Amino acid sequence: SQTIHQWPATLVQPVGSPLSLECTVEGTSNPNLYWYRQAAGRGLQLLFYSVGIGQISSEVPQNLSASRPQDRQFILSSKKLLLSDSGFYLCAWSVKGSNYGYTFGSGTRLTVV
Amino acid sequence: GQQVMQIPQYQHVQEGEDFTTYCNSSTTLSNIQWYKQRPGGHPVFLIQLVKSGEVKKQKRLTFQFGEAKKNSSLHITATQTTDVGTYFCAGRYAGNNRKLIWGLGTSLAVNP
Repeated sequence: SQTIHQWPATLVQPVGSPLSLECTVEGTSNPNLYWYRQAAGRGLQLLFYSVGIGQISSEVPQNLSASRPQDRQFILSSKKLLLSDSGFYLCAWSVKGSNYGYTFGSGTRLTVV
Repeated sequence: GQQVMQIPQYQHVQEGEDFTTYCNSSTTLSNIQWYKQRPGGHPVFLIQLVKSGEVKKQKRLTFQFGEAKKNSSLHITATQTTDVGTYFCAGRYAGNNRKLIWGLGTSLAVNP
């Protein structure tokens, strides 16, 4: 069966520090991968999505970047965190070429102080 | 632009009462999905509706897709405390099937 791993679960980082959040998917190949941010426990904002290794689409101009170095690995990064980067970051995957639902990781709650 | 509006934003009910959340789009959707997010948790996929006028049931949950494929609803019969959470709809538009357009969610609180 397919599983998605996302870590860490919580993170407190000072302003100006770098960030690296990792997400890996098991049990499937060539998935679509997504990074979302959820602020204030409400709506989901799509940050990046990827249809393949090295292919990243950015949805919102921001202080963040994403990379997909391997088929089932998706990384969210920042060189210098801002206070406004605080939020709940969710990685998700979906089967390519179909209309199945997204499967989300358990999320990383990031607080920038 | 493509938007999915979801109402209400919040709903408090007594346990045993029914609950409904609605999603509306100004343009035709190719399909719509529903998710549930428990407090402190991550969204979990519930169902996808594809056909015009489609109705699907999962135990006490009934999902409907409008005839024009511009609106959808989720109805919970006889709510229980386990139904607490935020319910999101997310739609896809023809020609842009890579992306889901998310509603802002309806947060449901159930008083025991």
